[in-house]
Amino acid sequence: GIQVEQSPPDLILQEGANSTLRCNFSDSVNNLQWFHQNPWGQLINLFYIPSGTKQNGRLSATTVATERYSLLYISSSQTTDSGVYFCAVVRSTDKLIFGTGTRLQVFP
Amino acid sequence: ETGVTQTPRHLVMGMTNKKSLKCEQHLGHNAMYWYKQSAKKPLELMFVYNFKEQTENNSVPSRFSPECPNSSHLFLHLHTLQPEDSALYLCASSPSADTQYFGPGTRLTVL
Repeated sequence: GIQVEQSPPDLILQEGANSTLRCNFSDSVNNLQWFHQNPWGQLINLFYIPSGTKQNGRLSATTVATERYSLLYISSSQTTDSGVYFCAVVRSTDKLIFGTGTRLQVFP
Repeated sequence: ETGVTQTPRHLVMGMTNKKSLKCEQHLGHNAMYWYKQSAKKPLELMFVYNFKEQTENNSVPSRFSPECPNSSHLFLHLHTLQPEDSALYLCASSPSADTQYFGPGTRLTVL
């Protein structure tokens, strides 16, 4: 099956810093989503981005489908950005395949 | 707030107990999902329902029994669980094959 790998596995930042999270996938996909899981377990959709670039406030994402990767940019990070960031891909069915996540800790 | 609710939020049960997890959405979505999230492992898809019909059972042990009485409600019935079943159980719903919206999860501990 398709493999979804995320890097780095862990990231520690000071408030105000910028960061880039990467998601690599091993085969072509119909869709890619980025999620943020907060410390209480809630998964929040960040982006639905099968290709191209999208921006939402301090967050932006770029997917280069032909090269099988996606990047999530976090600028001016805040402590509330802490949590785990997952990318998930969809191939031919409605099954989301999740990566292993990047755990982000932002300290004041 | 994603519009998907789950109850209870926390559950502690013994191995001989029977309990049920509930998921509810009034977003008009036709697909609903159960996922299991164990420590340090990716989310694992357990079950998929489309228009109340089960379309996916990802080799889940029979001690987990899903039920989807209508397109707004999804249950996961639990019986004779094992300690390794302790995990965060997440429900999701989807208006299409691609975008899924998750509930807050039920954190389950099996003693």
